[in-house]
Amino acid sequence: LAKTTQPISMDSYEGQEVNITCSHNNIATNDYITWYQQFPSQGPRFIIQGYKTKVTNEVASLFIPADRKSSTLSLPRVSLSDTAVYYCLVSNTDKLIFGTGTRLQVFP
Amino acid sequence: NAGVTQTPKFQVLKTGQSMTLQCAQDMNHEYMSWYRQDPGMGLRLIHYSVGAGITDQGEVPNGYNVSRSTTEDFPLRLLSAAPSQTSVYFCASSLQDPSSYNSPLHFGNGTRLTVT
Repeated sequence: LAKTTQPISMDSYEGQEVNITCSHNNIATNDYITWYQQFPSQGPRFIIQGYKTKVTNEVASLFIPADRKSSTLSLPRVSLSDTAVYYCLVSNTDKLIFGTGTRLQVFP
Repeated sequence: NAGVTQTPKFQVLKTGQSMTLQCAQDMNHEYMSWYRQDPGMGLRLIHYSVGAGITDQGEVPNGYNVSRSTTEDFPLRLLSAAPSQTSVYFCASSLQDPSSYNSPLHFGNGTRLTVT
């Protein structure tokens, strides 16, 4: 199973772009990269998933370099409601292992 | 469409008591799983199931039992509760094996369990 490493916490201000990078040095050929968001007292919620290059949806972008040993979740123009914990997962098995995540705090 | 429903939301047990945490999904998902979340530990996988009649262990299975007699339900049983099992428990489901592309996990809102 690929192990992921993320910063424990990040701070930002409203309106800024936030980039959270996840390191996954031993990612396997068939692994996908998935990001989840978790608010207090709620279960995690799927944000975005990718395999290589760049993926964009209505809430975020995911950048994956050619070697796939890292990935960056980009949140454009964050608001206070983006304050949450963000988890990066890589897996090609049915046993999904979450890391400790990155706690993002957005200030006014 | 209720998604993933967990009951109860809160529970207090005494050491040695048993109980079952319920999880039900109405999305016809094949894959279901249980996680526990403790401060500073992230989410740890307890047990999972890739379909009715099939279960397997995750990272931290000791002290917990599961069964999957129907596609919709995946109960988690604590046979003899211990204070170390005080945690928030999340159930999650996915249309297929979540290692498949575009088959993300859908989580319930958790059960907060305290064992005294």
